[in-house]
Amino acid sequence: KAGVTQTPRYLIKTRGQQVTLSCSPISGHRSVSWYQQTPGQGLQFLFEYFSETQRNKGNFPGRFSGRQFSNSRSEMNVSTLELGDSALYLCASQTSGRDEQYFGPGTRLTVT
Amino acid sequence: QKEVEQDPGPLSVPEGAIVSLNCTYSNSAFQYFMWYRQYSRKGPELLMYTYSSGNKEDGRFTAQVDKSSKYISLFIRDSQPSDSATYLCAMYNFNKFYFGSGTKLNVKP
Repeated sequence: KAGVTQTPRYLIKTRGQQVTLSCSPISGHRSVSWYQQTPGQGLQFLFEYFSETQRNKGNFPGRFSGRQFSNSRSEMNVSTLELGDSALYLCASQTSGRDEQYFGPGTRLTVT
Repeated sequence: QKEVEQDPGPLSVPEGAIVSLNCTYSNSAFQYFMWYRQYSRKGPELLMYTYSSGNKEDGRFTAQVDKSSKYISLFIRDSQPSDSATYLCAMYNFNKFYFGSGTKLNVKP
C-alpha cells in the first residue's frame, strides 16, 4: 500500500504571497490532519478533515485554511505569508477516529 | 502546563546500550498512546501504538504505559547507530492527537 504523499516537497515563497500544499492519504483513509513543525514549537496541530468536513481545528490564525475532496485528498492554504510561517508542514492520515496516524514526508516551506 | 511533556535531550548513548525515553501527561482521559521516530528532514514514522495501560513489545522496542502515574516509556534494547533520530510521544483523545516536543537520541558507534 502506498504511503501518505505530499507535494511539493520544498517550496520557497516571499512574504505576502500565498501557498497551497497538497496531501494524498493512504488508500482507504478518510481522515487527514495537518501539522506545522518548527524547531522551537515542535509539532502543532492545524486542523483535521474527515469526509470533506473540518472535524477539529488548532489555534492558528484564519490565514491557514484547508479543504478535503471527495477522494480524501486534502489541500492546505496559507495566505499572506509571514517569515514565521517557515516550517515543515506535515500531513497525516488515518482510517477514521481511534486509529494509528501515518505521516507523509512533509513540505518544507521557506518564507523570505 | 502542556498536555504532554517530553525531555528534549539530546540523549547520547554508546551502541548496544538500553535506551529509555519518557513522557508525562496531564489528561487522565488519554487512552491511546503512540511513539514516533523522526529522522532528520523526514516525516514521523509510527513505531508503537498501545491502548490503555501495560506493555507492548516489538523486536528491540518496548512501550510501557502507566496510567496511574500518567507516564509512558519507550525502551530500545541493543541500540544501533541507525536508531539515532528524534522520538516523539503522542496521545489521542476525542479525535485529537497531542504530541510531545520530541527527544533527540544519538547512538554512537
